[in-house]
Amino acid sequence: EAQVTQNPRYLITVTGKKLTVTCSQNMNHEYMSWYRQDPGLGLRQIYYSMNVEVTDKGDVPEGYKVSRKEKRNFPLILESPSPNQTSLYFCASSLDLYTGELFFGEGSRLTVL
Amino acid sequence: AQKVTQAQTEISVVEKEDVTLDCVYETRDTTYYLFWYKQPPSGELVFLIRRNSFDEQNEISGRYSWNFQKSTSSFNFTITASQVVDSAVYFCALSERTGANSKLTFGKGITLSVRP
Repeated sequence: EAQVTQNPRYLITVTGKKLTVTCSQNMNHEYMSWYRQDPGLGLRQIYYSMNVEVTDKGDVPEGYKVSRKEKRNFPLILESPSPNQTSLYFCASSLDLYTGELFFGEGSRLTVL
Repeated sequence: AQKVTQAQTEISVVEKEDVTLDCVYETRDTTYYLFWYKQPPSGELVFLIRRNSFDEQNEISGRYSWNFQKSTSSFNFTITASQVVDSAVYFCALSERTGANSKLTFGKGITLSVRP
């Protein structure tokens, strides 16, 4: 089954404790991206990757890191989480961002205390 | 710069009513793609439709229809005879070429509540 898998789905952590949200897709998509969703703000892009070893900042990259060592994986790293990073995070992938649909993971709800 | 505006933030209707969700976009390009996504209460984001800028034909899929008008830069979504299962957040999105890359911009979403 074609899918984008994120883990963990739910996480409560404390300020400053490094965490990684993993994302994996099995569709051989070149494009992958991370979004955060906050009430009233819609979906905002954090980082994206057009292919392996190619990543770039989205609209709200501060406080986040990503890596794309393999085509299928695109982890999101919060080196020192802060309460303002409490949000619902979505990983997405696409065969072609311009023409194609985005396939989203189920979301990861992160709470930073 | 591209921009997607979904001016309606929340809409509440009674079951069986028709409802239209508005989407207005801005772009300097003549070639682009428009999308609608649905996010039901369970939280996942689901693709509904894609339309390229050269295809202004309206599309109908069951109770769903989409009206694309380049003259007004709008890509509106109508649900006919709404049902409780239509309750969701609906996002409109615009993709545009940016040099060698592409950019996808989402609107802020419209929360639709359909009451029994």
